[in-house]
Amino acid sequence: QKEVEQNSGPLSVPEGAIASLNCTYSDRGSQSFFWYRQYSGKSPELIMSIYSNGDKEDGRFTAQLNKASQYVSLLIRDSQPSDSATYLCAVNLFQTGANNLFFGTGTRLTVIP
Amino acid sequence: DTEVTQTPKHLVMGMTNKKSLKCEQHMGHRAMYWYKQKAKKPPELMFVYSYEKLSINESVPSRFSPECPNSSLLNLHLHALQPEDSALYLCASSQASGSSYEQYFGPGTRLTVT
Repeated sequence: QKEVEQNSGPLSVPEGAIASLNCTYSDRGSQSFFWYRQYSGKSPELIMSIYSNGDKEDGRFTAQLNKASQYVSLLIRDSQPSDSATYLCAVNLFQTGANNLFFGTGTRLTVIP
Repeated sequence: DTEVTQTPKHLVMGMTNKKSLKCEQHMGHRAMYWYKQKAKKPPELMFVYSYEKLSINESVPSRFSPECPNSSLLNLHLHALQPEDSALYLCASSQASGSSYEQYFGPGTRLTVT
């Protein structure tokens, strides 16, 4: 069973604070990890990808990966009201001749002005 | 350019209709995907095409029929759908091999079955 688990939230943070989103996965064969942002009624938008242990920073976003603990996180610094969305953690596995993304259930983030 | 386009944006169809959803990408990706997403749920994989061949069919009912005419296009043919098939249908694409498997999603087609 391939599982990706996220805190379902909702998570509320004040504007300017750091939002911390967490994700665990069950399959140690996973090599690629992604965070998507999805606004209500819209499609998922890729905001971060991470492939190796450690931190990866892109603007206000930092993704952290710990393969030994099977743990992926996303930090959003200086949170803005426009960051209010559902954040989906996704893990890639190659199976049946193709890549397959397994999604967590998502964490709903609200940034309070 | 990381754009995946989908048409139509919205579709209302009766249970006896036949319709098609279309998806196009020009990123040179050789893997394309169809997902179904219900409200407040994550996307649910339906089909995967890799190098224009169907690789994964996640036990989807036969009233959904995918087609990949070429490396840039992906269709989903719909026939005799049920009201519970109403959902957001998402197309995505990615590289099929190499070190980067980032999937990029299109805007989706909002389908309502009446």
